[in-house]
Amino acid sequence: DGGITQSPKYLFRKEGQNVTLSCEQNLNHDAMYWYRQDPGQGLRLIYYSQIVNDFQKGDIAEGYSVSREKKESFPLTVTSAQKNPTAFYLCASSTNTNEQFFGPGTRLTVL
Amino acid sequence: KQEVTQIPAALSVPEGENLVLNCSFTDSAIYNLQWFRQDPGKGLTSLLLIQSSQREQTSGRLNASLDKSSGRSTLYIAASQPGDSATYLCAVRPLGAGNNRKLIWGLGTSLAVNP
Repeated sequence: DGGITQSPKYLFRKEGQNVTLSCEQNLNHDAMYWYRQDPGQGLRLIYYSQIVNDFQKGDIAEGYSVSREKKESFPLTVTSAQKNPTAFYLCASSTNTNEQFFGPGTRLTVL
Repeated sequence: KQEVTQIPAALSVPEGENLVLNCSFTDSAIYNLQWFRQDPGKGLTSLLLIQSSQREQTSGRLNASLDKSSGRSTLYIAASQPGDSATYLCAVRPLGAGNNRKLIWGLGTSLAVNP
């Protein structure tokens, strides 16, 4: 089955801790994205990558970091510099016509 | 600056009704527009993608139209069912944004179809 997987489904972080969210796709898409979703707000773009070994900051990149060493994988690290990380995190990839497809999401909670 | 608005924010209808969800955008210079569905606590599911050169797209009971000149798209759902209950989001890809493929998102319409 082709698709996007995210893990874990739920993640708990202590204050001052870095955590990494996994995103893998087997759709052979070049572009991948990380979004953050908060209640009552639209999706906000954190980082995106159009090709392996290249990525750009989105609208709210502060406190986050990414890597794109493989086409299939685009992990997101939430660092201790992110002061309000509790949110639902969504990973997506897109076709050449920019039709975006999403993973099931990771809910991060700060304890 | 491109802005996307979805009205109403919430909608409740009885089962079987045909309904229309609205999406408005402020700049007609778009590459495409995409409609998504999101169930509570889940990721987004792509429903329909309309390229700027197209006027509508259909998939099953769903029909999406695009009128760039008026900055509007509508998602028509025929014979609504309780399983259609979800939040529906639209997003546009602006022209002139280079090749960054960034989307501008609406806040969504929360739909409840009552049995």
